Amino acid sequence: EAGVTQSPTHLIKTRGQQATLRCSPISGHTSVYWYQQALGLGLQFLLWYDEGEERNRGNFPPRFSGRQFPNYSSELNVNALELEDSALYLCASSLWVRGLSTEAFFGQGTRLTVV
Amino acid sequence: AQKITQTQPGMFVQEKEAVTLDCTYDTSDQSYGLFWYKQPSSGEMIFLIYQGSYDEQNATEGRYSLNFQKARKSANLVISASQLGDSAMYFCAMSCSNDYKLSFGAGTTVTVRA
Repeated sequence: EAGVTQSPTHLIKTRGQQATLRCSPISGHTSVYWYQQALGLGLQFLLWYDEGEERNRGNFPPRFSGRQFPNYSSELNVNALELEDSALYLCASSLWVRGLSTEAFFGQGTRLTVV
Repeated sequence: AQKITQTQPGMFVQEKEAVTLDCTYDTSDQSYGLFWYKQPSSGEMIFLIYQGSYDEQNATEGRYSLNFQKARKSANLVISASQLGDSAMYFCAMSCSNDYKLSFGAGTTVTVRA
């Protein structure tokens, strides 16, 4: 069974540009999470999608946005890139059962570098 | 708001010994799930073990076991017979029924010495 896949694995962008990161969840998983992890730091929650809708959002500016497609894959868009957006972006998928997440499985991440 | 606390920024352990990683949590929910993840230097987050708040038995997965003390709100991870490949960052996480996200602790770096 295929795990969570993210693309691209590495992305280099110039300040002010836009970045698009993609995530395909484990088959059957309807929830997709996005996290930002700056170098050497913990995971900061960005967005949560379930059944095609944004269900929760972390404390990030509106230039961080995304969507979930009918096949439950997801896209994270970062507009007007700033140097401090350089980080590892992790996507995870899970099921949401009786109000709780089952174990979430992560992709290998996209390492975004803004120069 | 839900909160996860990992107070040990880094730990050293001798190969073949056991190590305990501390995790405490704060929630008013009765229904929640607790998770541990391993993040090696490659960056990938690897799911290790899960404990539900209503589970009466402590979870175990191979060399990993979760010491769940509900009254103390702690969910410590025990790694037995440490191996060099266990060197990594370890994160504790929680899912609560009224908080639609996985909340993570700050992580603990484990270094296994030969």
